[in-house]
Amino acid sequence: DGGITQSPKYLFRKEGQNVTLSCEQNLNHDAMYWYRQDPGQGLRLIYYSQIVNDFQKGDIAEGYSVSREKKESFPLTVTSAQKNPTAFYLCASSSTVYYGYTFGSGTRLTVV
Amino acid sequence: DAKTTQPPSMDCAEGRAANLPCNHSTISGNEYVYWYRQIHSQGPQYIIHGLKNNETNEMASLIITEDRKSSTLILPHATLRDTAVYYCIVRANAGGTSYGKLTFGQGTILTVHP
Repeated sequence: DGGITQSPKYLFRKEGQNVTLSCEQNLNHDAMYWYRQDPGQGLRLIYYSQIVNDFQKGDIAEGYSVSREKKESFPLTVTSAQKNPTAFYLCASSSTVYYGYTFGSGTRLTVV
Repeated sequence: DAKTTQPPSMDCAEGRAANLPCNHSTISGNEYVYWYRQIHSQGPQYIIHGLKNNETNEMASLIITEDRKSSTLILPHATLRDTAVYYCIVRANAGGTSYGKLTFGQGTILTVHP
Protein backbone atom coordinates (compact mmCIF):
# COMPACT_ATOMS: atom_id res chain seq x y z
CA ASP A 1 0.00 0.00 0.00
CA GLY A 2 1.17 3.52 -0.72
CA GLY A 3 1.92 5.88 2.11
CA ILE A 4 4.45 7.85 4.10
CA THR A 5 6.78 6.21 6.57
CA GLN A 6 8.44 8.19 9.34
CA SER A 7 11.12 6.70 11.50
CA PRO A 8 11.85 6.32 14.28
CA LYS A 9 8.56 6.71 16.13
CA TYR A 10 10.34 7.86 19.30
CA LEU A 11 13.76 9.51 19.45
CA PHE A 12 15.82 10.71 22.36
CA ARG A 13 18.64 13.18 21.94
CA LYS A 14 21.21 14.61 24.23
CA GLU A 15 21.65 18.34 24.27
CA GLY A 16 24.20 19.48 21.70
CA GLN A 17 23.66 16.57 19.35
CA ASN A 18 22.28 16.66 15.84
CA VAL A 19 19.62 14.10 14.94
CA THR A 20 18.04 13.18 11.61
CA LEU A 21 14.40 12.19 11.20
CA SER A 22 13.53 10.01 8.24
CA CYS A 23 10.57 10.50 5.91
CA GLU A 24 9.96 8.22 2.92
CA GLN A 25 6.94 8.15 0.60
CA ASN A 26 5.95 5.78 -2.21
CA LEU A 27 3.01 7.83 -3.45
CA ASN A 28 4.95 9.43 -6.31
CA HIS A 29 4.12 12.83 -4.81
CA ASP A 30 6.29 15.73 -5.90
CA ALA A 31 5.88 17.95 -2.82
CA MET A 32 6.92 17.09 0.73
CA TYR A 33 6.64 19.00 3.99
CA TRP A 34 7.86 18.96 7.56
CA TYR A 35 5.72 20.25 10.43
CA ARG A 36 6.35 20.60 14.13
CA GLN A 37 3.62 20.23 16.75
CA ASP A 38 3.92 21.21 20.42
CA PRO A 39 1.45 19.99 23.07
CA GLY A 40 -1.98 21.56 22.64
CA GLN A 41 -0.85 23.52 19.59
CA GLY A 42 -1.51 23.43 15.87
CA LEU A 43 1.08 22.42 13.29
CA ARG A 44 3.84 24.81 12.28
CA LEU A 45 5.65 24.49 8.96
CA ILE A 46 9.43 23.96 9.15
CA TYR A 47 10.48 23.29 5.54
CA TYR A 48 8.86 22.21 2.32
CA SER A 49 10.06 20.94 -1.04
CA GLN A 50 8.16 21.07 -4.30
CA ILE A 51 10.68 19.23 -6.46
CA VAL A 52 13.89 17.26 -6.09
CA ASN A 53 16.95 19.31 -5.15
CA ASP A 54 14.85 22.30 -4.16
CA PHE A 55 13.33 23.32 -0.82
CA GLN A 56 12.06 26.42 0.94
CA LYS A 57 11.99 27.58 4.53
CA GLY A 58 8.70 27.53 6.34
CA ASP A 59 7.70 29.60 9.34
CA ILE A 60 10.13 28.10 11.86
CA ALA A 61 13.18 26.90 9.91
CA GLU A 62 15.86 28.14 12.32
CA GLY A 63 17.82 25.26 13.82
CA TYR A 64 16.66 22.76 11.19
CA SER A 65 18.04 21.57 7.86
CA VAL A 66 16.68 19.35 5.09
CA SER A 67 17.73 17.71 1.84
CA ARG A 68 15.77 16.42 -1.13
CA GLU A 69 18.11 14.27 -3.20
CA LYS A 70 15.40 11.78 -4.17
CA LYS A 71 11.72 12.25 -4.87
CA GLU A 72 10.82 9.63 -2.27
CA SER A 73 12.89 10.98 0.62
CA PHE A 74 12.89 14.22 2.63
CA PRO A 75 14.98 13.83 5.80
CA LEU A 76 14.95 16.50 8.50
CA THR A 77 17.99 17.24 10.66
CA VAL A 78 17.42 18.88 14.00
CA THR A 79 20.67 20.66 14.79
CA SER A 80 22.14 21.74 18.09
CA ALA A 81 21.15 25.30 17.15
CA GLN A 82 17.49 24.43 17.74
CA LYS A 83 16.97 25.65 21.30
CA ASN A 84 13.78 23.78 22.09
CA PRO A 85 13.65 20.67 19.90
CA THR A 86 11.36 18.52 22.05
CA ALA A 87 8.20 18.16 19.95
CA PHE A 88 6.13 15.92 17.69
CA TYR A 89 7.39 16.07 14.09
CA LEU A 90 5.13 15.30 11.14
CA CYS A 91 6.05 14.73 7.52
CA ALA A 92 3.53 15.10 4.68
CA SER A 93 3.36 14.93 0.89
CA SER A 94 1.05 16.15 -1.84
CA SER A 95 0.66 16.11 -5.60
CA THR A 96 -0.90 18.29 -8.27
CA VAL A 97 -3.54 15.66 -8.91
CA TYR A 98 -4.61 15.30 -5.29
CA TYR A 99 -4.31 18.58 -3.45
CA GLY A 100 -4.85 17.11 -0.03
CA TYR A 101 -1.90 16.18 2.14
CA THR A 102 -1.00 12.65 3.19
CA PHE A 103 0.70 12.62 6.59
CA GLY A 104 3.04 10.16 8.20
CA SER A 105 2.48 8.86 11.72
CA GLY A 106 5.03 11.23 13.23
CA THR A 107 8.25 11.12 15.26
CA ARG A 108 8.25 12.21 18.88
CA LEU A 109 11.63 13.77 19.71
CA THR A 110 12.68 14.28 23.30
CA VAL A 111 15.85 16.03 24.44
CA VAL A 112 17.30 14.46 27.57
CA ASP B 1 -3.74 32.36 2.75
CA ALA B 2 -6.92 33.48 4.48
CA LYS B 3 -7.20 33.12 8.23
CA THR B 4 -9.84 30.86 9.75
CA THR B 5 -11.68 30.99 13.07
CA GLN B 6 -13.04 27.90 14.79
CA PRO B 7 -14.53 27.30 18.24
CA PRO B 8 -11.94 25.74 20.54
CA SER B 9 -14.13 22.81 21.56
CA MET B 10 -17.47 21.11 20.92
CA ASP B 11 -19.36 18.13 22.27
CA CYS B 12 -21.61 15.71 20.43
CA ALA B 13 -23.63 12.67 21.46
CA GLU B 14 -22.81 9.41 19.76
CA GLY B 15 -25.10 8.74 16.80
CA ARG B 16 -26.04 12.38 16.39
CA ALA B 17 -24.78 14.75 13.70
CA ALA B 18 -21.73 16.82 14.56
CA ASN B 19 -21.73 20.27 12.92
CA LEU B 20 -18.37 22.02 13.09
CA PRO B 21 -18.36 25.68 12.02
CA CYS B 22 -15.54 27.67 10.48
CA ASN B 23 -15.35 31.37 9.65
CA HIS B 24 -13.13 32.53 6.80
CA SER B 25 -14.40 36.01 6.06
CA THR B 26 -11.26 37.09 4.15
CA ILE B 27 -11.30 34.15 1.73
CA SER B 28 -10.27 34.92 -1.85
CA GLY B 29 -12.00 33.71 -4.97
CA ASN B 30 -9.38 31.08 -5.77
CA GLU B 31 -9.08 29.68 -2.25
CA TYR B 32 -10.46 26.30 -1.28
CA VAL B 33 -11.70 25.22 2.14
CA TYR B 34 -10.03 22.09 3.49
CA TRP B 35 -10.87 20.04 6.54
CA TYR B 36 -8.49 17.71 8.33
CA ARG B 37 -8.70 15.90 11.62
CA GLN B 38 -6.06 14.67 14.01
CA ILE B 39 -6.61 11.87 16.47
CA HIS B 40 -4.33 12.06 19.47
CA SER B 41 -0.64 11.45 18.66
CA GLN B 42 -1.32 10.60 15.02
CA GLY B 43 -0.76 12.48 11.78
CA PRO B 44 -3.68 14.59 10.49
CA GLN B 45 -6.10 12.91 8.14
CA TYR B 46 -7.67 14.60 5.13
CA ILE B 47 -11.47 14.71 5.31
CA ILE B 48 -12.87 16.86 2.52
CA HIS B 49 -12.38 20.07 0.58
CA GLY B 50 -14.46 22.40 -1.58
CA LEU B 51 -14.50 25.70 -3.44
CA LYS B 52 -18.08 26.96 -3.48
CA ASN B 53 -20.40 24.01 -3.98
CA ASN B 54 -21.41 21.70 -1.17
CA GLU B 55 -19.41 18.51 -1.13
CA THR B 56 -20.04 15.05 0.29
CA ASN B 57 -17.90 11.96 0.59
CA GLU B 58 -17.93 8.79 2.65
CA MET B 59 -16.62 10.61 5.72
CA ALA B 60 -18.47 13.91 5.84
CA SER B 61 -20.33 16.74 4.14
CA LEU B 62 -19.07 20.26 3.63
CA ILE B 63 -21.53 23.13 3.43
CA ILE B 64 -20.12 26.45 2.19
CA THR B 65 -22.24 29.59 2.44
CA GLU B 66 -23.09 31.44 -0.74
CA ASP B 67 -20.77 34.34 0.13
CA ARG B 68 -18.07 31.76 1.04
CA LYS B 69 -17.28 33.55 4.30
CA SER B 70 -18.06 30.51 6.40
CA SER B 71 -18.49 26.76 6.16
CA THR B 72 -19.70 23.82 8.22
CA LEU B 73 -18.30 20.32 8.36
CA ILE B 74 -20.99 17.76 9.08
CA LEU B 75 -20.31 14.29 10.45
CA PRO B 76 -23.77 12.77 9.96
CA HIS B 77 -23.63 10.02 12.61
CA ALA B 78 -20.78 10.70 14.99
CA THR B 79 -19.06 7.79 16.71
CA LEU B 80 -16.62 7.68 19.61
CA ARG B 81 -13.82 7.24 17.06
CA ASP B 82 -14.61 10.67 15.63
CA THR B 83 -13.23 12.29 18.79
CA ALA B 84 -10.34 14.37 17.44
CA VAL B 85 -9.08 17.87 16.68
CA TYR B 86 -10.66 19.19 13.50
CA TYR B 87 -8.80 21.77 11.43
CA CYS B 88 -10.39 24.11 8.90
CA ILE B 89 -7.85 25.49 6.44
CA VAL B 90 -8.18 27.86 3.51
CA ARG B 91 -5.67 27.68 0.70
CA ALA B 92 -5.35 28.46 -2.96
CA ASN B 93 -4.85 25.48 -5.22
CA ALA B 94 -2.20 26.44 -7.72
CA GLY B 95 -1.16 24.43 -10.72
CA GLY B 96 2.27 24.31 -12.21
CA THR B 97 5.11 24.29 -9.76
CA SER B 98 3.30 25.82 -6.80
CA TYR B 99 1.58 23.32 -4.56
CA GLY B 100 0.95 25.75 -1.77
CA LYS B 101 1.36 25.01 1.88
CA LEU B 102 -1.28 24.36 4.48
CA THR B 103 -1.35 26.57 7.56
CA PHE B 104 -2.89 24.82 10.55
CA GLY B 105 -4.51 26.83 13.33
CA GLN B 106 -5.61 25.54 16.74
CA GLY B 107 -8.64 23.69 15.39
CA THR B 108 -11.74 22.48 17.23
CA ILE B 109 -11.52 19.66 19.76
CA LEU B 110 -14.59 17.51 19.11
CA THR B 111 -15.53 15.15 21.91
CA VAL B 112 -18.12 12.50 21.09
CA HIS B 113 -19.68 11.04 24.23
CA PRO B 114 -21.84 7.94 24.71
